[in-house]
Amino acid sequence: GAVVSQHPSRVICKSGTSVKIECRSLDFQATTMFWYRQFPKKSLMLMATSNEGSKATYEQGVEKDKFLINHASLTLSTLTVTSAHPEDSSFYICSARDWRLRLAGKGHEQFFGPGTRLTVL
Amino acid sequence: ELKVEQNPLFLSMQEGKNYTIYCNYSTTSDRLYWYRQDPGKSLESLFVLLSNGAVKQEGRLMASLDTKARLSTLHITAAVHDLSATYFCAVDKGGATNKLIFGTGTLLAVQP
Repeated sequence: GAVVSQHPSRVICKSGTSVKIECRSLDFQATTMFWYRQFPKKSLMLMATSNEGSKATYEQGVEKDKFLINHASLTLSTLTVTSAHPEDSSFYICSARDWRLRLAGKGHEQFFGPGTRLTVL
Repeated sequence: ELKVEQNPLFLSMQEGKNYTIYCNYSTTSDRLYWYRQDPGKSLESLFVLLSNGAVKQEGRLMASLDTKARLSTLHITAAVHDLSATYFCAVDKGGATNKLIFGTGTLLAVQP
């Protein structure tokens, strides 16, 4: 249980184009989803937190107009990298949790997707 | 601001040896997670530590949490090559959103 998928797993795009990455919770409903980015040989950095039906909360230093996050349903969140540039090339990982699982002791736990590798040429 | 530090950053060890990875964090938290990441892959959950004194073991790995010292350890017993990976600890900031702050990561290379 608690499977999270991401699509695509890998994307290469030209500078200036926009790229959309999907994150889906397959067997549970995600009340909250998180988006991280990871540079090579570095740790994960939280970009934003999104609750279903609400606007995302971005971490300091993350441009909300560049990284558009939509969490329209309890099973899907999308991250759109607008006007991508080579410095946006990174590994993007989403995670999801269901706060309603807290009674089972799992409401706080995040379940991670397989990641999307974005390369901007 | 919550900071999470791991040491060592890189660990080369021989098969059969024991070693410990340390995770220190700067502010109070009662939840700490350990993850494994293989090259080019996402995170695999290893341990969830939810209270002071928690100890969990799975195979050759054992994790513990001391919330008073703000320290967690990941102990490797009789390492094997398959354990080669990057290991991250992550601390739950708590509050309404339960954000995770990740440690710097420890790259473990187990040599035959």
